[in-house]
Amino acid sequence: AAGVIQSPRHLIKEKRETATLKCYPIPRHDTVYWYQQGPGQDPQFLISFYEKMQSDKGSIPDRFSAQQFSDYHSELNMSSLELGDSALYFCASSLRQGAEQFPAKTQYFGPGTRLLVL
Amino acid sequence: AQTVTQSQPEMSVQEAETVTLSCTYDTSESDYYLFWYKQPPSRQMILVIRQEAYKQQNATENRFSVNFQKAAKSFSLKISDSQLGDAAMYFCAYRSAQGGADGLTFGKGTHLIIQP
Repeated sequence: AAGVIQSPRHLIKEKRETATLKCYPIPRHDTVYWYQQGPGQDPQFLISFYEKMQSDKGSIPDRFSAQQFSDYHSELNMSSLELGDSALYFCASSLRQGAEQFPAKTQYFGPGTRLLVL
Repeated sequence: AQTVTQSQPEMSVQEAETVTLSCTYDTSESDYYLFWYKQPPSRQMILVIRQEAYKQQNATENRFSVNFQKAAKSFSLKISDSQLGDAAMYFCAYRSAQGGADGLTFGKGTHLIIQP
């Protein structure tokens, strides 16, 4: 079965640079989520989108923004990168109403993008 | 705000034995979802099992089962016949059933070691 796709898988940036992470949800999933997982930490929810509208907001820094496009893919834009932004960034997707293979509101994670800020 | 607590930073079990990972949570809501995710060394987050709070029956998925005690706000994961491939970090997670409250709240995780 198709899974969540994230690109790039690895990214190295310098301080103060910008980065764009992309997420392609499981086909027909209508909700996308972004999480940040620092070394040795649990994932922290950043933001989510349902049907291209922001649905929920977590601990996303003001330097970060995100959007969901008409084809349901999502991008996380990160500006003025800091050393502390080095982390694993996950995208997840879900179906709000659920279907046989995908129970409602159950999040399926992509492989993550490893961001290193030097 | 909801909180999730996993009191066991690390657990060790012999291969083929049974192990139980603990999770408690704090919420004022009556309807919510609970999940266990597994994160192996590859760091992929893999869904293990889910539970809807309104369901009294404990969820099971093959060798994985939960003990959901709603009044006690407890959600433990039992792994039977442990296998080497079960070695991973296990995260307990909470999600509100309210619309617009989408994000998962995770516990700090339990590192499960399988002894051959």
